[in-house]
Amino acid sequence: KNQVEQSPQSLIILEGKNCTLQCNYTVSPFSNLRWYKQDTGRGPVSLTIMTFSENTKSNGRYTATLDADTKQSSLHITASQLSDSASYICVVSVILYGNKLVFGAGTILRVKS
Amino acid sequence: DAGVIQSPRHEVTEMGQEVTLRCKPISGHNSLFWYRQTMMRGLELLIYFNNNVPIDDSGMPEDRFSAKMPNASFSTLKIQPSEPRDSAVYFCASSRLPHGYTFGSGTRLTVV
Repeated sequence: KNQVEQSPQSLIILEGKNCTLQCNYTVSPFSNLRWYKQDTGRGPVSLTIMTFSENTKSNGRYTATLDADTKQSSLHITASQLSDSASYICVVSVILYGNKLVFGAGTILRVKS
Repeated sequence: DAGVIQSPRHEVTEMGQEVTLRCKPISGHNSLFWYRQTMMRGLELLIYFNNNVPIDDSGMPEDRFSAKMPNASFSTLKIQPSEPRDSAVYFCASSRLPHGYTFGSGTRLTVV
């Protein structure tokens, strides 16, 4: 069983609409949770980083939430744009082994006009 | 800041050939990571170095894979001999823990 599970696997929305991506994790001991955006053919780019004591973190139209009790996180995208089409990867950092990253499989988002 | 620089961007090679991927981390970062990404398995950590020393290489799939970091500004990932199942995108990332990672643009490897 994957230690970081994301849903949905893929999503298609219309430009201007909002969407929410989900991430559930079982990794412990937990250091921090990150959301990355990966455009096709590019490396992942960090959107947000949250420690266990943070409930929410925003970066422009991206807002991430974290519930460390239920081990759930979400990434909300507001007023989507065509350039938001990408893979969004939830990543949990493990305290041991120098903050080793455990990656989710990602959610592929496609924004249509 | 030029970011993490990887070369080549694309590599096509024949089965059995040696392949060397290169990475230049961000100056001042003390940790370097090699990842492999495929559609089937997503992003997988192969090996990571801290202060040029390999710390965890448990993700290296076989003895055909080797990685070196001779100094703080350069690392290589070598596959010898290469096989078609090694075809993937290989990412290098660097970090100055505990801050965020920065990924390179990746090397797309195709072994035919």
